[in-house]
Amino acid sequence: EAGVVQSPRYKIIEKKQPVAFWCNPISGHNTLYWYRQNLGQGPELLIRYENEEAVDDSQLPKDRFSAERLKGVDSTLKIQPAELGDSAVYLCASSLDRRTADIQYFGAGTRLSVL
Amino acid sequence: EDKVVQSPLSLVVHEGDTVTLNCSYEVTNFRSLLWYKQEKKAPTFLFMLTSSGIEKKSGRLSSILDKKELSSILNITATQTGDSAIYLCAVGPFSGGYNKLIFGAGTRLAVHP
Repeated sequence: EAGVVQSPRYKIIEKKQPVAFWCNPISGHNTLYWYRQNLGQGPELLIRYENEEAVDDSQLPKDRFSAERLKGVDSTLKIQPAELGDSAVYLCASSLDRRTADIQYFGAGTRLSVL
Repeated sequence: EDKVVQSPLSLVVHEGDTVTLNCSYEVTNFRSLLWYKQEKKAPTFLFMLTSSGIEKKSGRLSSILDKKELSSILNITATQTGDSAIYLCAVGPFSGGYNKLIFGAGTRLAVHP
């Protein structure tokens, strides 16, 4: 069974440029999460989806970040414009549904460097 | 404010040593504590603990939860170089019908031959 797939693995951009990350969760997993992991820290939740509905986006900086999960499967996370402080690893995770959300399965992440 | 603190932040050992990693937490409506191993790829799930005093074991790894002390330990015996990784502890406060995970900063373990 394929795990959570993310792309690209690495992205280097200049500040003020836009960037997008893509995530394909484990087949059948209704709940999808985007996390940001800064160097030396644990992942921090940005947004959580139940199917196609964003049900927790309280930590998403909405002035420059946006996300979507059309059809309740794949998801994209966008930053526009990127700032130097956005350099981090962006992790996507999925879980079967809210009742079993305890175990989240992670993708390999996208490492973003903003120059 | 919910928080998870891991110690030590980093650890260097030699192959064959036994290590103990610590995780302490302060969360409302505690539901579960999870351990993940993060190498240069996806964090991989190790254990989920919900009940105090019951040890979970997988090969050379084991973990136990102490709800009274609000903490958990992860033990690795007979360490190997392949155990080198960041070990993340996450705690799930149950809120709004869903288990949100709060992560600690991780313990970076380096196992030298």
